[in-house]
Amino acid sequence: DGGITQSPKYLFRKEGQNVTLSCEQNLNHDAMYWYRQDPGQGLRLIYYSQIVNDFQKGDIAEGYSVSREKKESFPLTVTSAQKNPTAFYLCASSSRTGIRETQYFGPGTRLLVL
Amino acid sequence: GENVEQHPSTLSVQEGDSAVIKCTYSDSASNYFPWYKQELGKGPQLIIDIRSNVGEKKDQRIAVTLNKTAKHFSLHITETQPEDSAVYFCAASYVGNEKLTFGTGTRLTIIP
Repeated sequence: DGGITQSPKYLFRKEGQNVTLSCEQNLNHDAMYWYRQDPGQGLRLIYYSQIVNDFQKGDIAEGYSVSREKKESFPLTVTSAQKNPTAFYLCASSSRTGIRETQYFGPGTRLLVL
Repeated sequence: GENVEQHPSTLSVQEGDSAVIKCTYSDSASNYFPWYKQELGKGPQLIIDIRSNVGEKKDQRIAVTLNKTAKHFSLHITETQPEDSAVYFCAASYVGNEKLTFGTGTRLTIIP
């Protein structure tokens, strides 16, 4: 089955805790993205990576960090510096060959603060 | 940077009728416009996209129209069915740019 998987589906964070959201894809896509979705709002870009070992900040990178050590994996860490982390987090990927602009999304991770 | 506005934010349509969602964009360099459908608790799924070299694209009951001069594009769903109920997002980008700018979404409800 080809696609993008995200885990866990739900994640709870305590005050001062860092948490890591997983994103894996087996589509052989070069580019991967993390978005944050809040109720009634569109998707806002946190970080993106066009190639292994390289990534760029999106529009709301503060309080988040990423790594891209493998082509298929792009984990997102929500640090304690992110004061309002409760949201739905979406990972996406796209191919850098062919129709590069088309992004495909995973099922999302809902992060809640205890 | 690009700014995408989407209207309406909510839309209720009788089953079998048509639904239209509109988006405007600000960057005249944008030339790729996808539409995504998001069901409750799931990730968005691409349903149709259009590039600026065409004015209209159709896929069964779904169509997208683009007016480059006015910088707006629209999603048309005909013969709506209950399974069309979802949140729909438009987005804009330009070829070679891997960043999409999204609208704020339209919650479409189909009334049986």
